[in-house]
Amino acid sequence: DTGVSQDPRHKITKRGQNVTFRCDPISEHNRLYWYRQTLGQGPEFLTYFQNEAQLEKSRLLSDRFSAERPKGSFSTLEIQRTEQGDSAMYLCASGSLSYEQYFGPGTRLTVT
Amino acid sequence: DAKTTQPNSMESNEEEPVHLPCNHSTISGTDYIHWYRQLPSQGPEYVIHGLTSNVNNRMASLAIAEDRKSSTLILHRATLRDAAVYYCILSDSLKTSYDKVIFGPGTSLSVIP
Repeated sequence: DTGVSQDPRHKITKRGQNVTFRCDPISEHNRLYWYRQTLGQGPEFLTYFQNEAQLEKSRLLSDRFSAERPKGSFSTLEIQRTEQGDSAMYLCASGSLSYEQYFGPGTRLTVT
Repeated sequence: DAKTTQPNSMESNEEEPVHLPCNHSTISGTDYIHWYRQLPSQGPEYVIHGLTSNVNNRMASLAIAEDRKSSTLILHRATLRDAAVYYCILSDSLKTSYDKVIFGPGTSLSVIP
């Protein structure tokens, strides 16, 4: 399967712990996006990379959130000092064209 | 970014056509209209996009009003697999640096066997 993959698929953590998620985009895609989705809502944009450069960050991405894309390949999203409000599905997408994004299956985070 | 409005939910019978409406009265001349859908427990998937002319692909058709203030996603024969949340989204084609996509709550489509 050559689609976007995310790891882990599920993560349960205690409040205050740090978590890191990984996204492996489709190999030829230079654009990579992170979104967050809560139940009953559409995905909310968090950040965008073109190759290794992080070009856009949402106001939703507080100081506790950081994303990287070293070498323009895979990306990681880290949440420090998790809070219960961080519980959500975290989606990664990649693309090579401006109008089309391919989404991964997401990482479901539960903060207890 | 321009906003879109869609009905919260719609129902369709299996094997019948489905017309999913979207209003975007504040659309600008450079906004593309995109449709994505999200099947249960999956990430969204791209369906179709257009600027001014109607568009067809293997998944669906997109009919765009002449004044571009509304559009309709057409599924020609609904199947059970088409039960999903459908998102109508605008993005500015002039933003070449990035193309942030803003998802609303979408339309939840139920397909009745």
